[in-house]
Amino acid sequence: DAGVIQSPRHEVTEMGQEVTLRCKPISGHDYLFWYRQTMMRGLELLIYFNNNVPIDDSGMPEDRFSAKMPNASFSTLKIQPSEPRDSAVYFCASSLDIAETQYFGPGTRLLVL
Amino acid sequence: AQKVTQAQTEISVVEKEDVTLDCVYETRDTTYYLFWYKQPPSGELVFLIRRNSFDEQNEISGRYSWNFQKSTSSFNFTITASQVVDSAVYFCALSKDRDDKIIFGKGTRLHILP
Repeated sequence: DAGVIQSPRHEVTEMGQEVTLRCKPISGHDYLFWYRQTMMRGLELLIYFNNNVPIDDSGMPEDRFSAKMPNASFSTLKIQPSEPRDSAVYFCASSLDIAETQYFGPGTRLLVL
Repeated sequence: AQKVTQAQTEISVVEKEDVTLDCVYETRDTTYYLFWYKQPPSGELVFLIRRNSFDEQNEISGRYSWNFQKSTSSFNFTITASQVVDSAVYFCALSKDRDDKIIFGKGTRLHILP
């Protein structure tokens, strides 16, 4: 298996623009997680899905953030409108079950100017 | 509430020295899982180990070893004969069985100096 795939790997955008991050989990994994990593706050869980259904979005910072999982092999994290404080590395991870090992994608490094 | 504490923010050692990264956790559950992940300078997060709460045997994998002690709620990670390639941020994490997401510690940044 190719592992968790994320795109783009790097994104530079201007404040106010819409940003869409993409993730393809490992085939057969029922759980998908979106994390954000910053120097100040470390690794934060934003939202996770089970069988394409959002289970816990309590980590989503505000209404500007939204995530979808239209099918078992694809998820998006959207920020609209983006702000400079959204600059971070965004990781997607997947696992077989909630407490099982999570396998992380390479991350998307987002810079909002 | 669950919590993972990695008190060492940053450690520097000279190559070939042994180094131990501390991890202390808090949970009221009797069943739980502990993890270590490595994040090298390239940025990806790499799974190292998963241990369940019923297995207190120490684990050794090459130069890596893990010491799980329920009595002190610790799951420490030791690198023997460290190498420059071990330089990374190491995260300890905890999850309950079945119902809960993984909680990550803040990480320990390890510098191995040549």
